[in-house]
Order: sequence, then C-alpha cells, then structure tokens
Amino acid sequence: GEDVEQSLFLSVREGDSSVINCTYTDSSSTYLYWYKQEPGAGLQLLTYIFSNMDMKQDQRLTVLLNKKDKHLSLRIADTQTGDSAIYFCAEISSGGYNKLIFGAGTRLAVHP
Amino acid sequence: GAVVSQHPSWVICKSGTSVKIECRSLDFQATTMFWYRQFPKQSLMLMATSNEGSKATYEQGVEKDKFLINHASLTLSTLTVTSAHPEDSSFYICSARWREGNIQYFGAGTRLSVL
Repeated sequence: GEDVEQSLFLSVREGDSSVINCTYTDSSSTYLYWYKQEPGAGLQLLTYIFSNMDMKQDQRLTVLLNKKDKHLSLRIADTQTGDSAIYFCAEISSGGYNKLIFGAGTRLAVHP
Repeated sequence: GAVVSQHPSWVICKSGTSVKIECRSLDFQATTMFWYRQFPKQSLMLMATSNEGSKATYEQGVEKDKFLINHASLTLSTLTVTSAHPEDSSFYICSARWREGNIQYFGAGTRLSVL
C-alpha cells in the first residue's frame, strides 16, 4: 500500500540549514508536497514538486526529488526560530479523488 | 494561496450533544472538500471526501452516521459530529480543492472537547 515515512524530530541552531527527509512508496505519484503546521493551527502549503522535476527552489526553501530512490527532501536555509513547527511530507494517492497520503510529520526545533 | 475558513476554532460540548463544524472556501469554488482528524502529536487521518452535490465517500472505519458530512454548495461543507462522546474529542481539519487541481488548501482546524 501507499506509505510516507519521515524522521520524527530535528533540532538545528538558528542560522544553520535544516534538511527534512521523506520517503514514499507510490512510484506513480505525480505531485509531492511539503506542508507546515504550527501549534494549534491548520496546515500551510509550503511548496510542492511535480514528479518530472529533480529540484525546486523558492526563496529559502529547496526541494530535492530522487525518483529512483523515492526520496524527497526539504532544505530550509538560514533557519529562524519562526520556522519551528511540524513539517509534513505528502503524496497524492493513485487510488482516486487525488487524496493526500501524509507522513507522520517532522518536528523542527530551532534553538539559539 | 487560496483561503479556507473553518469555524468554530474551538468548541466544548456535553456528551450526547451534536456539534457542527463549517468549512468555507472564500476565494474559489471547491468542488471537493476533505475532512481529517488529528490526534495529539500524530499525523492527519482522512475521514471522508466530499464532492459538491453528492454523498461523501468515507474512509474505512469511519462511521457515516456518526460523522455527517454535507457539501451543499461549492463554497461550504459541514461536518456534524452526532451524539458526541469524550472519545470524539480531537482536532478536526478540513481542506478544499478546485476541480481536478492538485493543491489542497487547509482550514485552521477545530478543536473539539467533549465533556
């Protein structure tokens, strides 16, 4: 079945780069997403990448996609305290309705 | 990005009562809306998919008579938790998508506490 896996926790120093990793199982996924969730809030779409792309950059965010290994990563440059949140990786299900399959989320803690 | 409004943000109710949660797409027509449930420190669990003008499709294990979903217009879907019990206490989040678009926009979530 479809599955998305992420490491659960990442701690970085303010100003450093953060790299959050994700693996997925559905090789037919057309889009892959990164969402951010702050405490008590909904999900904010950060960025997404189409499956025929290897990399996408948007300001401080860089997404890398390795289709062969089914590996997706999100790099946040110059990480700030406001980046502390839970980051969810997601893929579109091939099972219809374009449902999203989410990973468990990676809690990013930024310390001074 | 598009805006999805969800109300209320927090509700406390007595056991046995029903609670309605609204999800509105403010600046686009949402042909499909999704309802999720999130337990503390866990990921989102899809409960049901709702298409405008038709019956919702529920995920396995979700009681359709317990969680009533109505998607009567292109900008509004509602989730009613009927005869709520303490085990229904959770964080409920909706999302909306336009036609066959590949982006889901999420509401801010509703925290339900059943006493």
